[in-house]
Amino acid sequence: GAVVSQHPSWVICKSGTSVKIECRSLDFQATTMFWYRQFPKQSLMLMATSNEGSKATYEQGVEKDKFLINHASLTLSTLTVTSAHPEDSSFYICSARETGNPYEQYFGPGTRLTVT
Amino acid sequence: GDSVTQMEGPVTLSEEAFLTINCTYTATGYPSLFWYVQYPGEGLQLLLKATKADDKGSNKGFEATYRKETTSFHLEKGSVQVSDSAVYFCALSDGGGSYIPTFGRGTSLIVHP
Repeated sequence: GAVVSQHPSWVICKSGTSVKIECRSLDFQATTMFWYRQFPKQSLMLMATSNEGSKATYEQGVEKDKFLINHASLTLSTLTVTSAHPEDSSFYICSARETGNPYEQYFGPGTRLTVT
Repeated sequence: GDSVTQMEGPVTLSEEAFLTINCTYTATGYPSLFWYVQYPGEGLQLLLKATKADDKGSNKGFEATYRKETTSFHLEKGSVQVSDSAVYFCALSDGGGSYIPTFGRGTSLIVHP
């Protein structure tokens, strides 16, 4: 149980275009989902906390207009990287917290974004 | 604020060697402690956890004991395998209500046949 999927697993896009990454909780409901960014050989940096039906809470330094987060249902959150640039190339990981269980997060397999 | 410090890697071992990856933490209150593993190209998987002092988390031959007196949560395995090669992250989640993990920088483990 407690499986989180991400789609796509990898994506290549051109500078200036937008790309959407989906995060789904497959066998549980997730009121809260999290988006992380991971640079090579570094730890995870929390970008934002996404709550179903409300606006996401962004961490300091993360551009809200560039990284659009939507959490429209209890099983789906999306991250849209708008007007992508090469410096946005990274590994993006989402995680989900099961409704009623705040103590654990279940992580997706990650999405490798490369902007050319 | 809360923080997690892990030993720097990479840690390089031969198969069947004993593994220790050190982790210490700073936190207010009584955090829960976790070890996550990340295999190449994949997301994080929870390896083990401990929620209170003196608890021992264990899974797949890995163990870690929550030591409040030394604020540590060292990861150990008696005999590593090549398939254990991965990056290991120590993390804590405070009891202040947010329960959002704070991660260490990760320690890369390379096991040679």
